[in-house]
Amino acid sequence: DTGVSQNPRHKITKRGQNVTFRCDPISEHNRLYWYRQTLGQGPEFLTYFQNEAQLEKSRLLSDRFSAERPKGSFSTLEIQRTEQGDSAMYLCASSISPGDGAFFGQGTRLTVV
Amino acid sequence: AQSVAQPEDQVNVAEGNPLTVKCTYSVSGNPYLFWYVQYPNRGLQFLLKYITGDNLVKGSYGFEAEFNKSQTSFHLKKPSALVSDSALYFCAVRETTSGTYKYIFGTGTRLKVLA
Repeated sequence: DTGVSQNPRHKITKRGQNVTFRCDPISEHNRLYWYRQTLGQGPEFLTYFQNEAQLEKSRLLSDRFSAERPKGSFSTLEIQRTEQGDSAMYLCASSISPGDGAFFGQGTRLTVV
Repeated sequence: AQSVAQPEDQVNVAEGNPLTVKCTYSVSGNPYLFWYVQYPNRGLQFLLKYITGDNLVKGSYGFEAEFNKSQTSFHLKKPSALVSDSALYFCAVRETTSGTYKYIFGTGTRLKVLA
């Protein structure tokens, strides 16, 4: 499978715990995006990497959220001190150029209890 | 600031009939426009895009979309709907001139094709 891969697919965690998600983009794609989607809503932008550089972050992104892409390949998204409001589907996407559109993984569904 | 509006939460259409899912956008420069489809508990699947050129673009599964610059619209169409087209459809826009990298998505339109 040469698509965008996300792990885990599901995560249930207790409020206050830290969680980390991983995204493996399509191999030749240097652009990587994280989005969050809640029920009934469209995907909401979180952050963008070009190679290993984080070039854009949503102003709505809490400082409990951090993302890395250390070698310009896979990326991780960490949420510290999770809250119930963090429960959502976290989507990763990659692209090779802006005009190609972004290709999405299947997402990680986070449930904070 | 860029934005996307999908004015219909749900569209119902009979199988075999033509379908249209509406999208309007707002950007300060020239847009890149996209349609995605989402099936339950799945990620978004790319359908088609408009970058430049011909206003009518064709995509996957028989879908097409018409770019209208004066109306700032990018409506998704299909001549003959299938029950299997029932899903959630998202329109997205990316500005090309403002220095932002993100794609902005609409709130989605649920398409229901009735047998």
